Amino acid sequence: GAGVSQSPRYKVAKRGQDVALRCDPISGHVSLFWYQQALGQGPEFLTYFQNEAQLDKSGLPSDRFFAERPEGSVSTLKIQRTQQEDSAVYLCASSAMRGGLYEQYFGPGTRLTVT
Amino acid sequence: AQTVTQSQPEMSVQEAETVTLSCTYDTSESDYYLFWYKQPPSRQMILVIRQEAYKQQNATENRFSVNFQKAAKSFSLKISDSQLGDAAMYFCAYRSRISGGGADGLTFGKGTHLIIQP
Repeated sequence: GAGVSQSPRYKVAKRGQDVALRCDPISGHVSLFWYQQALGQGPEFLTYFQNEAQLDKSGLPSDRFFAERPEGSVSTLKIQRTQQEDSAVYLCASSAMRGGLYEQYFGPGTRLTVT
Repeated sequence: AQTVTQSQPEMSVQEAETVTLSCTYDTSESDYYLFWYKQPPSRQMILVIRQEAYKQQNATENRFSVNFQKAAKSFSLKISDSQLGDAAMYFCAYRSRISGGGADGLTFGKGTHLIIQP
């Protein structure tokens, strides 16, 4: 595809509900990142995949957050038992290679509001 | 852990003028990468410019250039001939040369909201 796509663009969840956020990276990109961007803040790193392997999940804020990329392409970020503090924009980014100067291409984000 | 600080929450500049956005960072590493990203309202974040720490020469991309001062841990962005389309949030970001432990991701500052006055 032309770029990174994410769905849904907006999600409203009642506190305690589970949500699943989808990311379609640029075709052929081996690296995939998830970030959380709270209102008025810069994005914060959540987790990183190289192909299907989750190499780094040090940024996931709690065990309610789970991410997967089973076939090394599409990724899903799942949040169980959502809390109000989970309200944020969730950004996905992909990159052709790991690390270095390789550009991360960002998706439009999913805005999650927990009521 | 590395931190990135953008001390200007908002900057305003007249169209066609030059503006400089500030960024400082804290790290114990000697080799790393620095980036400026632009996030227009309701649009995707895009890369503006990037710099390798071991390169002394400042990066330039058309109207965008950086002033990289490694000893001072400063990485400012200069936008020349400002255009209306430059209006956006600008984020400074750091990436470690090593991998793992969160280092694969970018560490962002809080951003600077750039307003272009016509």
